[in-house]
Amino acid sequence: EADIYQTPRYLVIGTGKKITLECSQTMGHDKMYWYQQDPGMELHLIHYSYGVNSTEKGDLSSESTVSRIRTEHFPLTLESARPSHTSQYLCASSILAGTGERETQYFGPGTRLLVL
Amino acid sequence: KNQVEQSPQSLIILEGKNCTLQCNYTVSPFSNLRWYKQDTGRGPVSLTIMTFSENTKSNGRYTATLDADTKQSSLHITASQLSDSASYICVVADRGSTLGRLYFGRGTQLTVWP
Repeated sequence: EADIYQTPRYLVIGTGKKITLECSQTMGHDKMYWYQQDPGMELHLIHYSYGVNSTEKGDLSSESTVSRIRTEHFPLTLESARPSHTSQYLCASSILAGTGERETQYFGPGTRLLVL
Repeated sequence: KNQVEQSPQSLIILEGKNCTLQCNYTVSPFSNLRWYKQDTGRGPVSLTIMTFSENTKSNGRYTATLDADTKQSSLHITASQLSDSASYICVVADRGSTLGRLYFGRGTQLTVWP
């Protein structure tokens, strides 16, 4: 069982609100990731981090921002939520080691966001 | 274009039966291929990881195969159980960057009926 947590699990919010999705892991992993997943569709990488003070944008353009002040914490923030942000957001972490050929990503349970 | 295609999109089988899920990819240069199981409302959980030199990997009732020449993989589930009902996602990593970029398939939605 992976020790990676996301809160809230479900969130219904109105357009224009600022929201922060929390992600924490207790495994000491260096790498952390945020993915967006719509029903029946593939996961899309929106942000990742190699470690403290490291953040990068992923493949999918996103209006969200992230921060990595502590190793175990990787929150994602939407300054002004819109209906197009409705989706499931998955956080993941992995160890930064070697060539990464056997690097396993551990996923959190996800946050389902509905913006009205 | 690097892609991962899975088939079938959905599958219904009876409890106790076997099934095989397919994954074709065009990702290059290839690093490894992973199969994940994602229960409804949960995050994906890793089942197997195979590198270029491995052509089969088992994890209990799950057996994954890899043919790197034809760029195909399969996941075979033996003696299915109700708890096997989930989405099974094929993920291919490339070797072209430090991150080891991951390409995700859309998954096969498996339903096991009693």
